[in-house]
Amino acid sequence: DVKVTQSSRYLVKRTGEKVFLECVQDMDHENMFWYRQDPGLGLRLIYFSYDVKMKEKGDIPEGYSVSREKKERFSLILESASTNQTSMYLCASSSSGENTGELFFGEGSRLTVL
Amino acid sequence: AQSVTQLGSHVSVSEGALVLLRCNYSSSVPPYLFWYVQYPNQGLQLLLKYTSAATLVKGINGFEAEFKKSETSFHLTKPSAHMSDAAEYFCAVAFLTADKLIFGTGTRLQVFP
Repeated sequence: DVKVTQSSRYLVKRTGEKVFLECVQDMDHENMFWYRQDPGLGLRLIYFSYDVKMKEKGDIPEGYSVSREKKERFSLILESASTNQTSMYLCASSSSGENTGELFFGEGSRLTVL
Repeated sequence: AQSVTQLGSHVSVSEGALVLLRCNYSSSVPPYLFWYVQYPNQGLQLLLKYTSAATLVKGINGFEAEFKKSETSFHLTKPSAHMSDAAEYFCAVAFLTADKLIFGTGTRLQVFP
């Protein structure tokens, strides 16, 4: 069964802490994405990556950074967490080619920043 | 600017009734269009996608959507709702390449017995 696995389902952090959200996919996909999901706002793209060591900003990259050292792993980093980063974070992956656009999502990481 | 709009953040239907979830997009170029579904406490999964092969697209669980260029719409329908259809549904659109999706704000579907 193909899978996108996010390391933590629920996290509680304090303002100013550094936060790592990890995502691993087992489908050998080239593309990986980080979204945040907020009620009434849908999904907003934070960062994405088309290849190892490559990254591109999405629509709301401020306050976030990413790392992709291996093809299967894409990490989201909050250098100094703030309360307005309390949200659900969704990782997704997709292949290039004819099935592009078909995203496979993890179950999400719900982050609360106090 | 290119965008996607879902009309109605909440839709309620009775079991067995028609389901209609609306999605409109704005674009000057032909888009790729998708519907995703999110069940409670889960990530999103693809329901169906339009990539210009046919205007009526059939997806999983009896859902289908019709691309209407003149109306810039891609509404999702199901003839008869089931309790298990209760979920949040997201329309998504991509332009030029299908790699980078823009999601709508979602419509939560409730199904009453």
